[in-house]
Amino acid sequence: EVQLLESGGGLVQPGGSLRLSCAASGSTFSPSFSPYAMNWVRQAPGEGLDWVSAISGSGASTYYADSVKGRFTISRDNSKNMLYLQMNSLRVEDTAVYYCTKMFAGASSYHGMDIWGQGTTVTVSS
Amino acid sequence: DIQLTQSPSFLSASVGDRVTITCRASQGIAIYLAWYQQKPGKAPKLLIYAASTLQSGVPSRFSGSGSGTGFTLTISSLQPEDFATYYCQQLHDYPWTFGQGTKVEIK
Repeated sequence: EVQLLESGGGLVQPGGSLRLSCAASGSTFSPSFSPYAMNWVRQAPGEGLDWVSAISGSGASTYYADSVKGRFTISRDNSKNMLYLQMNSLRVEDTAVYYCTKMFAGASSYHGMDIWGQGTTVTVSS
Repeated sequence: DIQLTQSPSFLSASVGDRVTITCRASQGIAIYLAWYQQKPGKAPKLLIYAASTLQSGVPSRFSGSGSGTGFTLTISSLQPEDFATYYCQQLHDYPWTFGQGTKVEIK
């Protein structure tokens, strides 16, 4: 069963914008998506993992890597089981596969990212 | 930001070998550390959380240990399906950060 499915990637010129979407489905997110904090993580070609942004289950709290702060905005629509990443002022160095991930939480802390999407590719090039 | 340094960056090993990967944090992170496995073209998979707790469904040949600033991931007997890249991640403070990765290849 599909759990997290990203879309919205593509080729964009430097300075341009893209909006990534992530659809959550399956038993984990049934009956509700809202209990789960979510993240975007990216991986540049041939490189390691790079955390981009996180959002709380309610959407009230958001967090960003310094490299994207002020340019990217994370949001969610719990009524639609959707996560988004609005990316503005894109740079060549934003080129990467972008993964949507679900946070796995314990009673008082986060444990890790236990569900990952398959990724969507963003290429920033002129 | 908390920096994570993995060693080695590259490891060549044979099936059946015992393999140990180290992750060192730039400041204390208690046990807020996770390990992931990533195979080429695939999304990462959570192996271990809270430094030493095996994620459901992960084979028992994987184990984790450590606290504070020093952590290890051990594979007790390397299997063909274990050849992959492994990453540590700290969840003590935002921004979450990952180690640079350790690629385990077949000798």
